[in-house]
Amino acid sequence: NAGVTQTPKFQVLKTGQSMTLQCAQDMNHEYMSWYRQDPGMGLRLIHYSVGAGITDQGEVPNGYNVSRSTTEDFPLRLLSAAPSQTSVYFCASSRPGWGGAFFGQGTRLTVV
Amino acid sequence: GIQVEQSPPDLILQEGANSTLRCNFSDSVNNLQWFHQNPWGQLINLFYIPSGTKQNGRLSATTVATERYSLLYISSSQTTDSGVYFCAVGGSNYKLTFGKGTLLTVNP
Repeated sequence: NAGVTQTPKFQVLKTGQSMTLQCAQDMNHEYMSWYRQDPGMGLRLIHYSVGAGITDQGEVPNGYNVSRSTTEDFPLRLLSAAPSQTSVYFCASSRPGWGGAFFGQGTRLTVV
Repeated sequence: GIQVEQSPPDLILQEGANSTLRCNFSDSVNNLQWFHQNPWGQLINLFYIPSGTKQNGRLSATTVATERYSLLYISSSQTTDSGVYFCAVGGSNYKLTFGKGTLLTVNP
């Protein structure tokens, strides 16, 4: 039981490049979310999904796209990377009701 | 949106000391979690505690939902307790609002 798995762990992009951050969970959780963490701040919600085929925007969605075709996977896409997207990205999964959210190990992204 | 304030922002302890971290939030919530972010950046679940009191070894937490605050107690601190402690709250598990954290340093 791996929990929430994020790949890659580290990535360097050039401005304007695109990439996809992968997130997979094996706990059959309905809910999945993406957060970003910037220095000296807590995590901020980018996008979330309450089930396959259903996504919505969080607090800081600009520059990011998501889709949820399966329960297990919730990829985050950067279509044209900008230096302001340099951050650590965390994926989380949870289920309705009791229990809280479980986080992956994070992806450290640098855009130069 | 909901506001989350954590105090103190920084805390330095000698090994063996006890500490209390506080989390205030501005609205009623259905979810409240405490996390420890270790020096390697991993977010470790400590407690899921929207109300009541829980204990896990040297750590315990209490949430008074009616007064909109939660406390995290660390007793007999160890150097491995160092890191950032986050409180996160929300109406749902998938939409958490995080505080800015408390940076704890435990010196040997």
